Amino acid sequence: DAGITQSPRHKVTETGTPVTLRCHQTENHRYMYWYRQDPGHGLRLIHYSYGVKDTDKGEVSDGYSVSRSKTEDFLLTLESATSSQTSVYFCAIGQPQETQYFGPGTRLLVL
Amino acid sequence: AQSVTQLGSHVSVSEGALVLLRCNYSSSVPPYLFWYVQYPNQGLQLLLKYTSAATLVKGINGFEAEFKKSETSFHLTKPSAHMSDAAEYFCAVSGGSQGNLIFGKGTKLSVKP
Repeated sequence: DAGITQSPRHKVTETGTPVTLRCHQTENHRYMYWYRQDPGHGLRLIHYSYGVKDTDKGEVSDGYSVSRSKTEDFLLTLESATSSQTSVYFCAIGQPQETQYFGPGTRLLVL
Repeated sequence: AQSVTQLGSHVSVSEGALVLLRCNYSSSVPPYLFWYVQYPNQGLQLLLKYTSAATLVKGINGFEAEFKKSETSFHLTKPSAHMSDAAEYFCAVSGGSQGNLIFGKGTKLSVKP
């Protein structure tokens, strides 16, 4: 298994509060991705990174920001959480257009 | 733009029966194609991947998929279902504009004893 961990694994928060999710990898991989998974939608790309301090937006980036100050860590921040951001969040690593390896996910509930 | 269609959000089979999960993609150029499996409360695990080396791709746990360019399909099959196959299955295709994979909406497989 690819060495990818996510923290926290579960979080309950209130509308309007900031939330940061962490993805940590031990594979020294250059490319990292954040997806969200919602019933009936599959996985959708939020943001991705192609190196330290190099990030770009995905399909559903509104309301999210990311940062990558080290190769191994990719942070996803919800600046002001809304109920529509209740979801399961997955981090992945992998070369573009190639196999991607996923972390265990973070379940976020915004009340 | 690439897209993936999985026919049937839920499929139910009896233990020992054939499993067939359908996936169609939209592209004039054969991309890389993937099947992932997600067990409850877990991340996605790669089942198999098509890379144009062979149209019939064998994966883990007895699953295989056949790439048919003329039908733009990549259906997943397993001859005999096992209770442990109950999970959600996602078909994905390369070709996202940010290097990401594009996923279908998933098919939940239930296996009845």
